[in-house]
Amino acid sequence: GEDVEQSLFLSVREGDSSVINCTYTDSSSTYLYWYKQEPGAGLQLLTYIFSNMDMKQDQRLTVLLNKKDKHLSLRIADTQTGDSAIYFCAESRHNFNKFYFGSGTKLNVKP
Amino acid sequence: GAVVSQHPSWVICKSGTSVKIECRSLDFQATTMFWYRQFPKQSLMLMATSNEGSKATYEQGVEKDKFLINHASLTLSTLTVTSAHPEDSSFYICSARDEGALDTQYFGPGTRLTVL
Repeated sequence: GEDVEQSLFLSVREGDSSVINCTYTDSSSTYLYWYKQEPGAGLQLLTYIFSNMDMKQDQRLTVLLNKKDKHLSLRIADTQTGDSAIYFCAESRHNFNKFYFGSGTKLNVKP
Repeated sequence: GAVVSQHPSWVICKSGTSVKIECRSLDFQATTMFWYRQFPKQSLMLMATSNEGSKATYEQGVEKDKFLINHASLTLSTLTVTSAHPEDSSFYICSARDEGALDTQYFGPGTRLTVL
């Protein structure tokens, strides 16, 4: 199937860690991505992970991939108010020609 | 990262008119570009895949005569919404595939279309 699912909303306090989860169904996924969308703007690529990796860390961002359970997560350490946005996970398959997006998780960071 | 621009960033038009949206890859060549539509508080819906020098591939349910796509060069794809109606009002986002070191899509900032 093509379903990519995310929880719709997450609220955290500034300075806490945020964990955004994503599940997908297609085991042929090659790359998995996290994008950030601020209000009225396009999508900004945050990070990505190749499907044969378990973890990737990039500054405050940590991506964990459980391929067996088809579960992807994005952890944001020391969350700031500027991190408030919608976060989309996406998967690409085969020859990377199409992306399948999750519904997006709205992250609200309270000061 | 690679930069993709869209023009215009927002447009308001009367019902029945046509609107053209441009998508440009600024620092890389893109043989493949994609057009998405996003309704408020919803995810991106892929409308079509734009291939340089050939016809676009439309997703099921997307009217090709309504949403005309032209990809005449390796850095420019255009989406024309023909005879626009209020239900076409949406946020249109393009992306360009960069087949470089990381084969991924880079997204434009989006175009907000409002049809009166």
